[in-house]
Amino acid sequence: DIVMTQSPSSLSVSAGEKVTMSCKSSQSLLNSGNQKNYLAWYQQKPGQPPKLLIYGASTRESGVPDRFTGSGSGTDFTLTISSVQAEDLAVYYCQNDHSYPLTFGAGTKLELK
Amino acid sequence: QVQLQQSGAELAKPGASVKMSCKASGYTFTSYWMHWVKQRPGQGLEWIGYINPSTGYTEYNQKFKDKATLTADKSSSTAYMQLSSLTSEDSAVYYCARRGTGLGSYFDYWGQGTTLTVSS
Repeated sequence: DIVMTQSPSSLSVSAGEKVTMSCKSSQSLLNSGNQKNYLAWYQQKPGQPPKLLIYGASTRESGVPDRFTGSGSGTDFTLTISSVQAEDLAVYYCQNDHSYPLTFGAGTKLELK
Repeated sequence: QVQLQQSGAELAKPGASVKMSCKASGYTFTSYWMHWVKQRPGQGLEWIGYINPSTGYTEYNQKFKDKATLTADKSSSTAYMQLSSLTSEDSAVYYCARRGTGLGSYFDYWGQGTTLTVSS
């Protein structure tokens, strides 16, 4: 199974700050056939299901604000929020979509300082 | 609009079975695979498995192979998950989530979740 490791486990931030969180996979998520990385980021707020933010490591889902940016390739990936807003406080999960079983990281919790 | 409407909260006794549902609307039910994901209180997300509603083919996370049974009813656009031999470890929120038919498809719509509590 592909193990997804996220860091840090929590981040304390102020509104307007730039935030970066990491996701590392135990195997490459790069599809050699089409050179796409099969990695997604989800945002989960309390009492809600996860919401797809980023797929293919760097493509924003429709309607996701452009302050969210995904980057990385292979085994190392990053989610950056350029200027954190109050509504961004949530847990962020990365997900392996390269091979079964599909696996998620343990999450990074974004908290208000 | 796409909606996945899950059945209500369940309270079950240890050793019992429970069957929960996920009714899809707003898209062609058989064009997407339906996945199920477990989330224990304060914990992360675990993929249970998926069903292809068109063919009934299923694939499971080995960890849930003897725990979960996935089925689907095309006539009502509803997916089901049965959990058997329940223990306290099965107490969690269970989500259904729509995903395309191949790897690199991602979970683009989720149900609101069904909370299962296992207690005597």
